[in-house]
Amino acid sequence: GAVVSQHPSRVICKSGTSVKIECRSLDFQATTMFWYRQFPKKSLMLMATSNEGSKATYEQGVEKDKFLINHASLTLSTLTVTSAHPEDSSFYICSAREGNRPDTQYFGPGTRLTVL
Amino acid sequence: DQQVKQNSPSLSVQEGRISILNCDYTNSMFDYFLWYKKYPAEGPTFLISISSIKDKNEDGRFTVFLNKSAKHLSLHIVPSQPGDSAVYFCAAGGGNTPLVFGKGTRLSVIA
Repeated sequence: GAVVSQHPSRVICKSGTSVKIECRSLDFQATTMFWYRQFPKKSLMLMATSNEGSKATYEQGVEKDKFLINHASLTLSTLTVTSAHPEDSSFYICSAREGNRPDTQYFGPGTRLTVL
Repeated sequence: DQQVKQNSPSLSVQEGRISILNCDYTNSMFDYFLWYKKYPAEGPTFLISISSIKDKNEDGRFTVFLNKSAKHLSLHIVPSQPGDSAVYFCAAGGGNTPLVFGKGTRLSVIA
C-alpha cells in the first residue's frame, strides 16, 4: 500500500524554540495533505488541510501563525510549531490523500513532540 | 458536536471469540466509512472500509456492517487474536472533505 513517512519520529525541544516536522508521500503524489494532533486517550483532531501550492485551511481554534504549514510539492508537507510551549507537547500525525476519495487517505507514523 | 461516536472506550474479549466494535454517526452526508487500527506512538493503519451503497464488507477475519437507517456501523473480528489488541478508530468521510474520527475503542484480546 501507499507509504507516508514523517521525520523526526520524536523531538524534544526547549520552550520558545521552533520545531519543523516533515511529511512525505513516498510512492504516490498527494493532492491533499492533512495534519492531525492526538491528545492522550483522545481522538485524532484535524488541525489543517493543505493542497499543494496553496495556503492551508485551518480548523477552528487552531492558530495558523503558531502552526505553519507549507505544502511545497505533491510529496512534501511541513508543519512548523513556532515558539513552542509545553502545552504544544503532543503526538502529531500527518496524512496524505492520493485522490479525492476517503479510502485514498494514508497516514504517517506520527511525531512525538515534547516541549520542556 | 461529535459527528462520529464510539461510545465504548474499551472492550475485552477472550482469544478466539468475536470482537464487535460499534460506531454511530450523525451526518447523513457521509458516504464512506473506514476502520483504522492504532498502536501507541504509531500512526493509524487502515483496516477495512465500506461505502454507503453497501451494507457489508468482509476481508478475512474482519467484517464491517453498515446500517444507514440507524446511522450505525460495526466492525466484527472473528476469531479474535492477541495481536488484535490495539485502539480501533472509526472514521467517516464524504466527497472531498477530511475524514472525521471517533474517539476510539481500546480492544484487549486476552489469551
